[in-house]
Amino acid sequence: AQSVTQPDIHITVSEGASLELRCNYSYGATPYLFWYVQSPGQGLQLLLKYFSGDTLVQGIKGFEAEFKRSQSSFNLRKPSVHWSDAAEYFCAVGDTDKLIFGTGTRLQVFP
Amino acid sequence: DAGVIQSPRHEVTEMGQEVTLRCKLISGHNSLFWYRQTMMRGLELLIYFNNNVPIDDSGMPEDRFSAKMPNASFSTLKIQPSEPRDSAVYFCASTASIGEAFFGQGTRLTVV
Repeated sequence: AQSVTQPDIHITVSEGASLELRCNYSYGATPYLFWYVQSPGQGLQLLLKYFSGDTLVQGIKGFEAEFKRSQSSFNLRKPSVHWSDAAEYFCAVGDTDKLIFGTGTRLQVFP
Repeated sequence: DAGVIQSPRHEVTEMGQEVTLRCKLISGHNSLFWYRQTMMRGLELLIYFNNNVPIDDSGMPEDRFSAKMPNASFSTLKIQPSEPRDSAVYFCASTASIGEAFFGQGTRLTVV
């Protein structure tokens, strides 16, 4: 069965530090992969997506993610975190016509 | 387009009462998803529709839950009777195809 694993439940970083959020997926074919962000009290917003082609994808708010088929990973990165990046981040895999989400990683940013 | 619109934003009800959550899709989108989010279980897919037809309702927790899509732009999720363990934030999302899902802002349901 298709699944997504986000091994880190909670991550804390200092403002200005680099960030990497991990995501591993299980999928039989070439996956459609997504990262969403959820700010408190809000719905989920798409950060970036990978369908095919270049394995390094750029998203909004300075985020990027790299698809590594050999590792079944799609990790999210940002070179310098801002306090406003504090939120919950969800990785998702597209399965035919629905999205399967990971359990999320809560990011806390210290000044 | 105003995006996916959910109503109400907050609902407090007594155990045993019927609760109806509403969702208006983005015009032109043909898939509709209902999710439930709790601290314990995270984001769970309850049911999804494609072209108004329910495709997979295996995530619906019990028969107390039902969802309809009477037309291409509107859906309801009903809980009858409601129980305290149904307290959660319920999201709907729509997509045009396998791609970006646009989420509503959610309905925070509290059953007391």
